Parts: sequence; C-alpha cells; structure tokens
Amino acid sequence: EPEVTQTPSHQVTQMGQEVILRCVPISNHLYFYWYRQILGQKVEFLVSFYNNEISEKSEIFDDQFSVERPDGSNFTLKIRSTKLEDSAMYFCASIQNEKLFFGSGTQLSVL
Amino acid sequence: SQQGEEDPQALSIQEGENATMNCSYKTSINNLQWYRQNSGRGLVHLILIRSNEREKHSGRLRVTLDTSKKSSSLLITASRAADTASYFCATDARNFGNEKLTFGTGTRLTIIP
Repeated sequence: EPEVTQTPSHQVTQMGQEVILRCVPISNHLYFYWYRQILGQKVEFLVSFYNNEISEKSEIFDDQFSVERPDGSNFTLKIRSTKLEDSAMYFCASIQNEKLFFGSGTQLSVL
Repeated sequence: SQQGEEDPQALSIQEGENATMNCSYKTSINNLQWYRQNSGRGLVHLILIRSNEREKHSGRLRVTLDTSKKSSSLLITASRAADTASYFCATDARNFGNEKLTFGTGTRLTIIP
C-alpha cells in the first residue's frame, strides 16, 4: 500500500541552525501538508501546498518557515533559524478523497 | 473551547468493554473524521462522516454526528489491547479541494488486558 515517507525520523539541532525536513508524498496525490505536534498536545496545521505553491498557511508558519517541491517526488519543510519552541514532531501528509495520509513524522529537537 | 475538542482527555477501560469518546466543534463543517495515533507515530484515518449523515459504522467502530449540537462520538466496541492509542477528531469545513483539517486535542485510550 502506498505510504508517505519522511526523513529523518529524528533530528537534533542547535538553536539558530537551519533544518530541512523531507517528505515523499503518495505519488498520485495533489495536495500536501505539514502539521506539527508538540509533545502531548494537539496536531497543528502549518501549511498546505498545491500545484507548486502554498495554498494556505497558519500563524505558526512565519517567515522562518518555507516549503518546496524541488522535483516531482520530494516535499520539504525548511526552518531557517530554529528556536527552542520549534521542538516538536513534524508530520507530512497528503490527501485523497478528503482523507489525510500521514507520514511517521520527524521528531525535531532544538537544543 | 477550540475547534475539535475531545472528551475525555484520557480513558482507561478493561479489555472487552466499549470505549466512547466525544468531540465538540464550533464552526460549520463539511465532514468530520476520526484518526488514531499510536505513540510516536503518524495519524491513521479511521472513519469519515459527512455533515448530512447521523451515524456510520466500520467494523467495531461506530461514529455519530449531531450537527445541531456540533458534536460527534466515536464508539469502539469489544475493545482490545491493540486499541490502546490516542484518538483525534478532525473537522473539515471545505468541499473537495484545498481541504484543511483541524484536529482536536485527542483522547488517550488505554485498554487494560
């Protein structure tokens, strides 16, 4: 069964460093998403992406965040200068028939 | 309260019992969905119910939706240890295309063998 894959599964970085989280969505899906979940808290919408551009973004998705689909398969989330509060599990997802398909997530720890 | 709040926050029951989780939301919706999350993993879609539906079944799952009360419930019958997970409701206010699902805070379900 097709699945969304995310790499790396864990990322540890120093505050102020740039990180890139990578995702390969399911190939025939058209809309892609990033969500994040701070430990034990709700799953928060960050951004949606369609046709090589951002469809919608939340207040969390400030100018430190960017997304890109550099080729036909990868979908990346970049955080330019990480902050302690960016520590969270980041989930990539794609959608089909109104249902989200999530990757296993990247646990980002900012020290 | 925020869009999509589950109740209770945590629930522990004996294996074989039924588990009921509730979700309340604030705005009009196109559909409501329930997802499951095993610890440290991604969310997995369980069931979708549309705004014009009142009840839906899938295996041991039964979902109800009351749009007048802006609430939904998820019932898991004959629970198993493997049902231990967090369960989230998510509301979708849009039609096909550019969906944006808004998740609740989740119910942590523990099934005691």
